[in-house]
Amino acid sequence: KQEVTQIPAALSVPEGENLVLNCSFTDSAIYNLQWFRQDPGKGLTSLLLIQSSQREQTSGRLNASLDKSSGRSTLYIAASQPGDSATYLCAVIVNYGGSQGNLIFGKGTKLSVKP
Amino acid sequence: DGGITQSPKYLFRKEGQNVTLSCEQNLNHDAMYWYRQDPGQGLRLIYYSQIVNDFQKGDIAEGYSVSREKKESFPLTVTSAQKNPTAFYLCASRSGGPEAFFGQGTRLTVV
Repeated sequence: KQEVTQIPAALSVPEGENLVLNCSFTDSAIYNLQWFRQDPGKGLTSLLLIQSSQREQTSGRLNASLDKSSGRSTLYIAASQPGDSATYLCAVIVNYGGSQGNLIFGKGTKLSVKP
Repeated sequence: DGGITQSPKYLFRKEGQNVTLSCEQNLNHDAMYWYRQDPGQGLRLIYYSQIVNDFQKGDIAEGYSVSREKKESFPLTVTSAQKNPTAFYLCASRSGGPEAFFGQGTRLTVV
């Protein structure tokens, strides 16, 4: 059964620091991997999607990488800002059996960026 | 604007009562999903539907029911059989492509 783990569970950094959030998954047979941001009491906002044939995606100060063979993805945030404070969720999209297109989530990393 | 609308934002349920959470999308997506989120936990899949008039149980379907009579709508009913329904509920949808989109969620509380 696919399991997704995110480390660390919480992270506090000073403003301006570059940081890396980690995501690992147990089964490399994934379809895609998607990073989300969740603000308190809100829904999920999609940040980056990496398809299984890709190794990385970039959007502004965010860069996500994917290494299927080792079961790992990282989300790199450059020059962090207080507005980046949120919980970041990683989800793998599986495509086998009757579960086509379902997302399996990690528990998230709660990021706090101090001014 | 295109998107996913969940209502209500907050919902209170009395013991033994059934309640229905609404999820509507105007993205013309075929697949729709319901997830439950508890504090400190990741999202867990309740039900999903790949096409109108068809849906499948997810990992924690007990005590829940759904219908998919229209492409745009995928309501979730929390029945009295769900013994611990207090949670944050999220609806999502996907087209044939890989990216999933989420609504703003409904917070359900048992009173």
